[in-house]
Amino acid sequence: GAVVSQHPSWVICKSGTSVKIECRSLDFQATTMFWYRQFPKQSLMLMATSNEGSKATYEQGVEKDKFLINHASLTLSTLTVTSAHPEDSSFYICSAGDPGGAGEQYFGPGTRLTVT
Amino acid sequence: QKEVEQDPGPLSVPEGAIVSLNCTYSNSAFQYFMWYRQYSRKGPELLMYTYSSGNKEDGRFTAQVDKSSKYISLFIRDSQPSDSATYLCAMSPRNNNDMRFGAGTRLTVKP
Repeated sequence: GAVVSQHPSWVICKSGTSVKIECRSLDFQATTMFWYRQFPKQSLMLMATSNEGSKATYEQGVEKDKFLINHASLTLSTLTVTSAHPEDSSFYICSAGDPGGAGEQYFGPGTRLTVT
Repeated sequence: QKEVEQDPGPLSVPEGAIVSLNCTYSNSAFQYFMWYRQYSRKGPELLMYTYSSGNKEDGRFTAQVDKSSKYISLFIRDSQPSDSATYLCAMSPRNNNDMRFGAGTRLTVKP
């Protein structure tokens, strides 16, 4: 299957700082990537859909000025959590669909963000 | 009513048992159906993928889709302790878009 990587896998930051998370498709080009958030023992919550070369589409209730998404190339999307607060602490996961595939999405390993 | 309903469990079975995991959904537009396995603190891993109705088998795993009942299942035969994880069903109406997830079922297979 297709491989998606994320970096970093774990980050701790102080309240008020910004954190950038990278999502890369390693062996295919992804015109669309997705960003999810997952709280402990809960399911995935779609935050936004990232489209290469255009603005991201955010789900209702997700602050686009707080969660900045950039999809500058066909293999890289970034999520920046700006002015992080402790309530932003969560597990962030990206996914991408392989255009050459049949509709499935492949997930990265996730990034655990802890804001102190 | 949620678009996708999945019993969160937890579900505990002895090693070697047959496991049945299920999801129901309300959106008749869903055409693509997937099962993901997620280990603790890891990203979901695609296990099975099915388009429209029917069965699909891959080793010890069998996925079934019944669109008339809006019901999908994942069966695990000869379950192993390494199968202990959270299993998420997912579905979407279009290719690579609008994927909706179930809550996930936590499965423990005891040696």
